[in-house]
Order: sequence, then C-alpha cells, then structure tokens
Amino acid sequence: KNEVEQSPQNLTAQEGEFITINCSYSVGISALHWLQQHPGGGIVSLFMLSSGKKKHGRLIATINIQEKHSSLHITASHPRDSAVYICAKGAQKLVFGQGTRLTINP
Amino acid sequence: KAGVTQTPRYLIKTRGQQVTLSCSPISGHRSVSWYQQTPGQGLQFLFEYFSETQRNKGNFPGRFSGRQFSNSRSEMNVSTLELGDSALYLCASSPLMDSRDSYKGQFFGPGTRLTVL
Repeated sequence: KNEVEQSPQNLTAQEGEFITINCSYSVGISALHWLQQHPGGGIVSLFMLSSGKKKHGRLIATINIQEKHSSLHITASHPRDSAVYICAKGAQKLVFGQGTRLTINP
Repeated sequence: KAGVTQTPRYLIKTRGQQVTLSCSPISGHRSVSWYQQTPGQGLQFLFEYFSETQRNKGNFPGRFSGRQFSNSRSEMNVSTLELGDSALYLCASSPLMDSRDSYKGQFFGPGTRLTVL
C-alpha cells in the first residue's frame, strides 16, 4: 500500500461542476501539499497545509489530521482546470500520490 | 524574482553514457530538492541539498548523485545510464535561510526530460 493514496485516478466533468479530489496518507505528516501539473510537465504548488482549510480563488484544500485525509475542491470548474492534481506529504523529502487526471469539458 | 530554472530542458543519451543536469534555484533559496517522474513509478524523491550538504536521500542507486555549489545552484549526475532512467527530472527550491527555518513549501522548475536510447 502506498503511503499516499489519491482518488479518483481519473475524473471527467462538465464545466461549472464542483470537483472533489481525495488524498489519504498512512502515517503522520509535517505538511500536506497539493500540486498541479499541466501537460508539458511543469508543476505548480497550489497549497501547503498542516491543519484546517485554505482557499485560493476557486480552489479549497482541507485536511483532517485525525482521519489522515485531505481533499482538494474546485468550485465552478473550467476547462483550464484540466490538469493532473497530485497530493504529497512531507517537508523537504516529499512522498507523492499517484495523481488524479482531471478533464473539464466545455 | 526569476523562477527555478533547469538546463537543459531536453536531452537524449544512449545506454551506458552519463549525464549532468543543472538547476538554479530562486534567488535566496538555499534548499534544492530533486525528483524523478516516470509513467510507471510517478514522482519520486531523489535527494535534497542545503548549504552544499546533502540532507536527505531517496531510495535510488549510487549511479544517481548530486551536489550543490556555494551559490545554491545544484547539479545531479546519472552515470551508466539505463533505459529505465528515461524520465522527467524536476528540481524544486525552498526559501530556507538556515536549517532552523520553518518549512515554507517548494517551488518547482520546468524539468529536464531525459530520454535514454
């Protein structure tokens, strides 16, 4: 079993839908990251959190330390949100989930 | 501030050769981490350098090595290349000023795509 598990692996939705991507981890963490990777490879760090909830624009990340679970939500999804979303735990030595490929159709 | 830069962006090598990849962190960032991304294994941590010292190491064979210079620029080297080393190699820098700083996340470069034939 991977230390970091994401679900779903693939997600296709229509523009405007509310999106949720889940991440579970098996051991305690110092930090939990949500990353976005577009075709071509570049990775953008969306959030780093160790407790509670963070919001940036249409993106919201939450974490439940007791349940070892985090979620990334996208409100009013748009085709430009299409990307691979990756959660990762740790600080300098990140351990990654396998990624969720999100496709938003117009 | 300029972002993290990596050179070269694309590289083709043959089995048995060796390769050196370069990473320039964001100005003022002293921590540099390296990652390998392959379709089969996903993203995996290679190593992390801070102030020219390797602080963390992933589970890769000794053919993978790295170093960091006094200006925080980092290089990684892969010797005796194998087909399975074909991957996207990413580096990321962190705004740590000293080892007691609290962690503030990582900023990724665009990656170097290595193809081994």
